[in-house]
Amino acid sequence: SYELTQPPSVSVSPGQTARITCSGDALPKLYAFWYQQRAGQAPVLVIYKDRERPSGIPERFSGSTSGTTATLTISGVQAEDEADYYCQSADSSDAWVFGGGTKLTVL
Amino acid sequence: DVQLVQSGAEVKKAGESLRISCEGSGYSFTSYWITWVRQMPGKGLEWMGRIDPRDSYTNYSPSFHGHVTMSSDKSSNTAYLQWSILKASDTAVYYCARRYSQGDSGMDVWGQGTTVTVSS
Repeated sequence: SYELTQPPSVSVSPGQTARITCSGDALPKLYAFWYQQRAGQAPVLVIYKDRERPSGIPERFSGSTSGTTATLTISGVQAEDEADYYCQSADSSDAWVFGGGTKLTVL
Repeated sequence: DVQLVQSGAEVKKAGESLRISCEGSGYSFTSYWITWVRQMPGKGLEWMGRIDPRDSYTNYSPSFHGHVTMSSDKSSNTAYLQWSILKASDTAVYYCARRYSQGDSGMDVWGQGTTVTVSS
């Protein structure tokens, strides 16, 4: 089955830039989406179609892709950004899949 | 306000049946697919499948096909996820989320989650 691979954890100090990667063979052809899940809460969409930001999401969140890797970048990280982040895409049969998730720790 | 409101927490025994719900409001219910996502305790998100409320077309993840059933009722703007035989391993939080049926806008609105606890 298709898999998306994320690093288990990323740590940054406040004000620094966090980059979370997501690797998948189909990412050159299919969009990546990113979701933020704070502890005890439902997920929130932060990036769609590789790099688009939904209304209400701060500008410090951005997305990009290069080859088989999608990247979520959080510039000027704030304490409130501490959360789990999941990438999501689809496989060739249009079954959707999530990456394993990355825990962002703000030191 | 656009929202998805899910039914309350459930405590069941293995072998029992269960149906949980997800009611949409503030938008055209039939213009968005409803997707279901499982999150087992301390684990990540797992896509279970989706349903198109216009015609009840479903697309299940192979991991869940045959174990759960998704349905919807246009008249009440409600989607359902049901099990006929629960297992202890079904213990999890279940989220519903919507995705616009005509474009790749992502799962932009999520329900608050329904906690299902199944004892053996």
